[in-house]
Amino acid sequence: DAKTTQPTSMDCAEGRAANLPCNHSTISGNEYVYWYRQIHSQGPQYIIHGLKNNETNEMASLIITEDRKSSTLILPHATLRDTAVYYCIVREYGNKLVFGAGTILRVKS
Amino acid sequence: KAGVTQTPRYLIKTRGQQVTLSCSPISGHRSVSWYQQTPGQGLQFLFEYFSETQRNKGNFPGRFSGRQFSNSRSEMNVSTLELGDSALYLCASSLVDAQETQYFGPGTRLLVL
Repeated sequence: DAKTTQPTSMDCAEGRAANLPCNHSTISGNEYVYWYRQIHSQGPQYIIHGLKNNETNEMASLIITEDRKSSTLILPHATLRDTAVYYCIVREYGNKLVFGAGTILRVKS
Repeated sequence: KAGVTQTPRYLIKTRGQQVTLSCSPISGHRSVSWYQQTPGQGLQFLFEYFSETQRNKGNFPGRFSGRQFSNSRSEMNVSTLELGDSALYLCASSLVDAQETQYFGPGTRLLVL
């Protein structure tokens, strides 16, 4: 079973920041937080991951709370092409990715 | 750098047949994982190969098998196909390091009639 809890769906206005929350209250010290997204019928796309510190790359920022029990993925300027299912996954080295249902993000013009 | 490639992209088979799907990982990646995605069950892990050995296995029947070659390319085989095997089959590759970020291919869509 997935170790994360995410809202079923969210809407965001085009050009605004999209903030996607994820709860992982049972995360262990060795587990990373990964974010992937999947645009309809395509393979999941890696976005970002982190262990303790906040991370930023060209796609997004990942904010992890100090107790590591929750995190937020931030897409700074959402576009229509960001409409997808976003998966938050916690995973330890050597283990498989366990996907939950994810959050359907709808970016609207 | 080229991404993960999967062939074929689409496939139609009939019940009872067998099928072989192929995955070429990103250059330098030695771990290959396979996933099945269906509307009812979502994305589920099938198995992972590293250095031609199965390292992890999901909860699928023995009809699902795989292998990895010395160049890290991988194949998965499904024998005695059932209607429920209709799905998107995804392959992901990764470096074998502390973080092992997995990068996915476009998938093979299998339809069993």
